[in-house]
Amino acid sequence: GAGVSQSPSNKVTEKGKDVELRCDPISGHTALYWYRQSLGQGLEFLIYFQGNSAPDKSGLPSDRFSAERTGGSVSTLTIQRTQQEDSAVYLCASSGGQGRQPQHFGDGTRLSIL
Amino acid sequence: GENVEQHPSTLSVQEGDSAVIKCTYSDSASNYFPWYKQELGKRPQLIIDIRSNVGEKKDQRIAVTLNKTAKHFSLHITETQPEDSAVYFCAEGGSNYKLTFGKGTLLTVNP
Repeated sequence: GAGVSQSPSNKVTEKGKDVELRCDPISGHTALYWYRQSLGQGLEFLIYFQGNSAPDKSGLPSDRFSAERTGGSVSTLTIQRTQQEDSAVYLCASSGGQGRQPQHFGDGTRLSIL
Repeated sequence: GENVEQHPSTLSVQEGDSAVIKCTYSDSASNYFPWYKQELGKRPQLIIDIRSNVGEKKDQRIAVTLNKTAKHFSLHITETQPEDSAVYFCAEGGSNYKLTFGKGTLLTVNP
């Protein structure tokens, strides 16, 4: 595709529910990143996938957060038992190399927990 | 760990003036420094980046300077226009693949 695609663009759910956020990276990009952006804040690193290597999960804030990347392309970020503090914009980015190439972002998913 | 300080947090200039945003970092292994522009409700977009083997890079009205000794780098926007209004983020990447972002600068260009 032309750019990084994320879905849904907006998600409103009740506290305690599970949510899945999807990211389609730029075709051919081997590196994929998830970030969280709270209102008026910078970007907080969550997780990184590179090719077939084990992902770097060091930024995940709790064990309620997990992510997968199937077939080296599409990624899903799952948040279980959502809490109000999970409300944020979740951004996905991809890059073409070993992370040394520029990261290109999607439009994000705005998650609101009621 | 890595830490990036970005200043100012808000900046208001008159159209046609220059704007300068500064970032400092702590990791001496950092060697990649991108700048992103994020308009309200939009995705962050890369506007310029610099690697540690150069001290300055320009692209039309935008320039970035890097001082590795002092561990700081700056974004310079000349002849500002209202469409330059946005939040700007600096970031640094070191020996690994991660980028650490500053907290952003809200730039307002007044017509």
